Amino acid sequence: DARVTQTPRDKVTEMGQEVTMRCQPILGHNTVFWYRQTMMQGLELLAYFRNRAPLDDSGMPKDRFSAEMPDATLATLKIQPSEPRDSAVYFCASGMWGGSEQFFGPGTRLTVL
Amino acid sequence: GDSVTQMEGPVTLSEEAFLTINCTYTATGYPSLFWYVQYPGEGLQLLLKATKADDKGSNKGFEATYRKETTSFHLEKGSVQVSDSAVYFCALTQAGTALIFGKGTTLSVSS
Repeated sequence: DARVTQTPRDKVTEMGQEVTMRCQPILGHNTVFWYRQTMMQGLELLAYFRNRAPLDDSGMPKDRFSAEMPDATLATLKIQPSEPRDSAVYFCASGMWGGSEQFFGPGTRLTVL
Repeated sequence: GDSVTQMEGPVTLSEEAFLTINCTYTATGYPSLFWYVQYPGEGLQLLLKATKADDKGSNKGFEATYRKETTSFHLEKGSVQVSDSAVYFCALTQAGTALIFGKGTTLSVSS
C-alpha cells in the first residue's frame, strides 16, 4: 500500500532553533507539495517541486524557510530560526504532474515555544 | 486568483440525516474539483473528485456534481453515520498544480 510518509510526526522546539521536516513521496510520483495548516489561515501552499526542481515557493517566508529535494525519494522543509508563529501542521503531498490527485502524508505537528 | 468558498461550520446532524455542504469556486479555465476529508489527528484523504463539467464524483455514499453554470460542487450524502464525523474540505486545482482549499467544514454526527 503506497503512501506518503513524514517525519517527525510531532516536534516541540524553542524559538530560534532549527527545525527540519522530512517527506518521502510515493515512489514514481514526480510532483511534491508542502502545505501548512493553521486554525487562522486554513490550508495554504508553501512550495512545490516537479522532477525535484522548485516550481513555486511563493508561499514561504524566504528569510527563514527553505525547501529542497536532495533526491527523488526525499523532500525536506527547514525553518531557521523558528518562531512561535510557525506553529502549525505541515503536510507533504505527492502526485503526477498533469494529473489531478494528490496523496497526503500524515503531517508534522510543529510547536514552537 | 482562483478561490474556493465553502459553508461555515460546524454542521451538527443526527445519524441517518441528509447532509449537504455547499462549495462554490472562482477560477479561470477548467479546474478539477475535489472533496477531501480529515479525521482527527490524521492527514487529508481524497473523498471524491470531478474533472470536467457535469461529472459526478461519488464514494462511500457521498456525491458531488461539477456545475459549471453555478460554479458549484456541493457535497451530499443521503444518510450520515457517526463515523462520518470529520472536517471536509472542498478544493480545486488547475492541471495538477497546487490545490486551493476552502476553509473546511466540521461535521459532527450524533447517534
